[in-house]
This record gives sequence, structure tokens and C-alpha cells, in this order.
Amino acid sequence: EPEVTQTPSHQVTQMGQEVILRCVPISNHLYFYWYRQILGQKVEFLVSFYNNEISEKSEIFDDQFSVERPDGSNFTLKIRSTKLEDSAMYFCASSGTGISYEQYFGPGTRLTVT
Amino acid sequence: LAKTTQPISMDSYEGQEVNITCSHNNIATNDYITWYQQFPSQGPRFIIQGYKTKVTNEVASLFIPADRKSSTLSLPRVSLSDTAVYYCLVLTGGGNKLTFGTGTQLKVEL
Repeated sequence: EPEVTQTPSHQVTQMGQEVILRCVPISNHLYFYWYRQILGQKVEFLVSFYNNEISEKSEIFDDQFSVERPDGSNFTLKIRSTKLEDSAMYFCASSGTGISYEQYFGPGTRLTVT
Repeated sequence: LAKTTQPISMDSYEGQEVNITCSHNNIATNDYITWYQQFPSQGPRFIIQGYKTKVTNEVASLFIPADRKSSTLSLPRVSLSDTAVYYCLVLTGGGNKLTFGTGTQLKVEL
């Protein structure tokens, strides 16, 4: 069964540093998403991406965040200057077309900002 | 966006059938109901979706009454491995963001 992969599984960084989280969505999917989940809290939507542009973003997704699909297979989330409160699990997801709401989630990247 | 309400937690025993009910009183005509499952430290996983009446797959059944103001996820013969958080979501259109609530923490014991 096809799956979404994410690297790294765990990233530790110092406050103020830039991080790039990487995802490889399922190959024939057209919609891509980033979500995050702070420990013990709800899964929160960050951004959706379709046709090489952001289709929707949440209030969390401020100027410190950016997404890119650099080569047709990878989908990245960049945080320019990390804050302590960015510590969370970051999940990438992808979905196909049509009426299905089935989004396939990756295993997540645990980001720890110290 | 239709608001959903579901129990915070449920307990069950192995081999039992578990029914988790979600209310969504202000569901719109074009909305679909979908359920996700999440294990600790993993991403959510799609379980089932439906519009009305009953939908069944290899994992679960989804019952939706005629007024669509609620839905019930039914897990037959649960096992310890079904211990997870279950989320009910109401969505309009494909390709949209998922808005997760706090879900229902299901704990299955021996």
C-alpha cells in the first residue's frame, strides 16, 4: 500500500534556527497538507497546497512558515526562526481528487526546539 | 463548518462491539461525515466516510440516520489494538483541510 513518508523522524534545534521538514506524498496525489500536534493537544491544520500554490492556510501559518514542492516529489515545510512553542509533531498528508476525504498521513516529525 | 460533539472517552473489553456517537446538528446538505483514528505518536488514519444510511468497510460501519444530525461509528469485536483516539469530522468538498476536535479516547482492556 502506498504511504506518505517524512524525514527526519526527530529534529532537535535551537531557538532561532531554521528547520526544514521533508515529506514525500503519495505519487499520484494532488493535494498536500501540513498539520501539527503539540503534545497532548489537538491536531491542528497549518496549510494546504494544490497546483503548486497554497490553497488555504491557518492563523498559525505566519510569515515564519513556508512550503515548497521543489521537485515534483518532495513537499517541504520550512520554519525560518524557530520558537520554543513550535515544538510539536508535524504531520504531512496528501489526498487524491474527487469526493473522497481520505487524507493519508505520514508518521510525523517530532520537532524539539530548545 | 458543522460543529461536532462526541464523548471524551469510552472503555470497552476485548471482543465487545463499540459504538461511538457523534452529533452534528448543523450539518449542511453538501457535508459528508468522516471518521479518523489516531494511535499515540502516529498520524491520524482514515477509517470511513458516509453521507447517509449505512456504510461498511473491513474495519467499521457508519450509521447515519435520515436527519443526518448524528452518526455512529461501530467497531465490531474490538481488540487491545483498537485503543486509540477516534475523531468525527464533517466536511464539504474534497481537498479541504481537516479540523480535528478532541475526539473520543477509546480504551480496550482484556
